[in-house]
Amino acid sequence: DMKVTQMPRYLIKRMGENVLLECGQDMSHETMYWYRQDPGLGLQLIYISYDVDSNSEGDIPKGYRVSRKKREHFSLILDSAKTNQTSVYFCASSPGTDQDTQYFGPGTRLLVL
Amino acid sequence: GDSVTQTEGPVTVSESESLIINCTYSATSIAYPNLFWYVRYPGEGLQLLLKVITAGQKGSSRGFEATYNKETTSFHLQKASVQESDSAVYYCALGENNYAQGLTFGLGTRVSVFP
Repeated sequence: DMKVTQMPRYLIKRMGENVLLECGQDMSHETMYWYRQDPGLGLQLIYISYDVDSNSEGDIPKGYRVSRKKREHFSLILDSAKTNQTSVYFCASSPGTDQDTQYFGPGTRLLVL
Repeated sequence: GDSVTQTEGPVTVSESESLIINCTYSATSIAYPNLFWYVRYPGEGLQLLLKVITAGQKGSSRGFEATYNKETTSFHLQKASVQESDSAVYYCALGENNYAQGLTFGLGTRVSVFP
């Protein structure tokens, strides 16, 4: 059963706290992504990971970092969260043979107070 | 950069009526991008609805159809007779099959189907 999971689904943090968003996939996909979605802005690409320890900035990487130590896991880290990082975060994965067909997780709704 | 523009929602339709969501695109680095429709049902993540990678061809899934029109740079989504279960947010997207990029998404169109 092909699946992308995200944890937690909902998170409330205070400004300045650290945030860890986790993503997992069971399809052995090489490529994984983190997006954020805000009202009126659509999905914006934060980071791409091509495989373990091979990550690249997307369109809006500032304030974020990522970690990929196993192919099936991709973490998004916010060091000292800011209120403007309140958003819905989506993780996705795609196979190396078809980078464009992406499989998405259900999203994490983050509120930074 | 690339861009995707789609019908601004929300769109409200009655069950068994037809639905069309317009989508136009602009790709800067590639003449024939891959085009997608994704759908997000309440409480779920985005799911691929259909994909077309060849200009002039039509994709179909779950009763939905979209034709890749290179001349008008459009990829409109249509369904002849919607059901209440089609209530969702629909996203048009463009991809360049490029490892260094993700997909470029439209803003999404929320569709509500009433019985």
